[in-house]
Amino acid sequence: DQQVKQNSPSLSVQEGRISILNCDYTNSMFDYFLWYKKYPAEGPTFLISISSIKDKNEDGRFTVFLNKSAKHLSLHIVPSQPGDSAVYFCAAKDTGANSKLTFGKGITLSVRP
Amino acid sequence: DGGITQSPKYLFRKEGQNVTLSCEQNLNHDAMYWYRQDPGQGLRLIYYSQIVNDFQKGDIAEGYSVSREKKESFPLTVTSAQKNPTAFYLCASQNRGYPYGYTFGSGTRLTVV
Repeated sequence: DQQVKQNSPSLSVQEGRISILNCDYTNSMFDYFLWYKKYPAEGPTFLISISSIKDKNEDGRFTVFLNKSAKHLSLHIVPSQPGDSAVYFCAAKDTGANSKLTFGKGITLSVRP
Repeated sequence: DGGITQSPKYLFRKEGQNVTLSCEQNLNHDAMYWYRQDPGQGLRLIYYSQIVNDFQKGDIAEGYSVSREKKESFPLTVTSAQKNPTAFYLCASQNRGYPYGYTFGSGTRLTVV
């Protein structure tokens, strides 16, 4: 049972436009959410996170929105740059003592020059 | 600088041989994780350890073994029982408290011929 879902496997956007990457979850016990970025043959790197007590967190060109009632979060990248082309993973943490993250399958973002 | 190191970057082994992938961290993190990445499969959890001398199976533990004798080290052995061992393997460590995020290594590409 997949608790974190990234239903769109890929997204292609024009340089300078907005990229919106979506993530849905099913576990109501998730209380913290993170986005990771991964280039081929490298390890993922942390991008941005949000606590369940907030609905928005912003860091430069990256903003994450959380809609708890819909169990949905999204990552907005504005403006998109060719260097943003990568796989983006959504991850979530349960409120339990075990802080293990649950990852989605990832979205491949391609930013066209 | 603190970080997490996986070695080697590329590894080739003959079918039927066991092979051990190294993962070392100097971040003083309690928890460590092993993931496998295959095309279209996202990150799949193999094993994880929340504390020294203790570890738990993840979603795809069959054919793998681990040990956690030191806080800094979490080696993964891919045994001959693993039916499809060719993959990209990622190790991660985590400070169990806030901010919860993982620090990933740069990965090991294992090819079994």
